[in-house]
Amino acid sequence: RKEVEQDPGPFNVPEGATVAFNCTYSNSASQSFFWYRQDCRKEPKLLMSVYSSGNEDGRFTAQLNRASQYISLLIRDSKLSDSATYLCVVNAKYNTDKLIFGTGTRLQVFP
Amino acid sequence: GAVVSQHPSRVICKSGTSVKIECRSLDFQATTMFWYRQFPKQSLMLMATSNEGSKATYEQGVEKDKFLINHASLTLSTLTVTSAHPEDSSFYICSALPGPFYGYTFGSGTRLTVV
Repeated sequence: RKEVEQDPGPFNVPEGATVAFNCTYSNSASQSFFWYRQDCRKEPKLLMSVYSSGNEDGRFTAQLNRASQYISLLIRDSKLSDSATYLCVVNAKYNTDKLIFGTGTRLQVFP
Repeated sequence: GAVVSQHPSRVICKSGTSVKIECRSLDFQATTMFWYRQFPKQSLMLMATSNEGSKATYEQGVEKDKFLINHASLTLSTLTVTSAHPEDSSFYICSALPGPFYGYTFGSGTRLTVV
């Protein structure tokens, strides 16, 4: 089993749609969780950290379910500029700075 | 904001030659930097953790004699791909953690093509 698993997609959605991505992680000792965005042939950029209480940043909402070991990202009112690959990222184990990346979920927003 | 500068962005080299990739933290000190590799349609895979003033820590399966890492100062880490082969062609990215209130910051990546 992969340490971080994501549906690779692609998710093809029209502008204005709401889309949700899920991610599962295998190490129950993981403490830090993130969603990164990666555009084609570019470096990943932090979209948001994921907190136990859930957090929202504009059109983006992240949730963490520790019991089920999954993380979600909800994007409301999708824009064309949201088209990218979304990477689920967790730290490797408790109290370390090493990150484990999912393979990413590809989102394509069309007009 | 915290910036990691990575050079070169793209390099094409012949088989058997060596290539050096540099990562610099521009406005913070990075005692630790992380080196990743990403093949097409795959996730970023951590290769090694670079520690300022000491030896790098390599992940399982990564040849330390092939991928030489040097972290001689608090702002510079280098990765040298020695005796490069076509299978080493990949996207190499470095990363650092500027501080507790920042996310991990990535360099812009180096696309290596070995011909």
